[in-house]
Amino acid sequence: EDQVTQSPEALRLQEGESSSLNCSYTVSGLRGLFWYRQDPGKGPEFLFTLYSAGEEKEKERLKATLTKKESFLHITAPKPEDSATYLCAVYHSKLTFGTGTRLQVTL
Amino acid sequence: EADIYQTPRYLVIGTGKKITLECSQTMGHDKMYWYQQDPGMELHLIHYSYGVNSTEKGDLSSESTVSRIRTEHFPLTLESARPSHTSQYLCATSRGNEQFFGPGTRLTVL
Repeated sequence: EDQVTQSPEALRLQEGESSSLNCSYTVSGLRGLFWYRQDPGKGPEFLFTLYSAGEEKEKERLKATLTKKESFLHITAPKPEDSATYLCAVYHSKLTFGTGTRLQVTL
Repeated sequence: EADIYQTPRYLVIGTGKKITLECSQTMGHDKMYWYQQDPGMELHLIHYSYGVNSTEKGDLSSESTVSRIRTEHFPLTLESARPSHTSQYLCATSRGNEQFFGPGTRLTVL
């Protein structure tokens, strides 16, 4: 059975303090790893898709990387508007989600 | 503009009522999905459709039903709402393996 574990559950950073979120997964035959951002009371917003180990994607202050067992979402010099829950999901025959990391960025 | 629309955004209703949550899309995608999400928990797939007149149940047992008569419309119906149905319901479409989500409907059953 496909499994996704995200850590930490919650992370509090000061503005400008870079960090990384972790997504560990087990899946037989990965056909894509996805990162989403979810704001309270809203649907997940698509960020990145990664398909193979070694692949990296960047968007503004976010960079996602992928190995054979885990993915990292690196946040460089975060701003308060980056505060949200970040969800990781893997696709084999269906999309399996983790429970997310709640990120809070303070001034 | 290509988008996914869900109505209502918020619904508070009494036990035993029949409700329909609406989802429509202008993304031009054939595949559509319904997920259920409780606070702090992962999304669970409850229904999906690969096209008109095609509907399947997902992993999470659900007392809801869906229909797909038009490509752009994928409503979810609860015949008799119960407090255990209180949750956030998210509609999604997909292009390949990438899924895109609507804003969600927050349902509270009293």
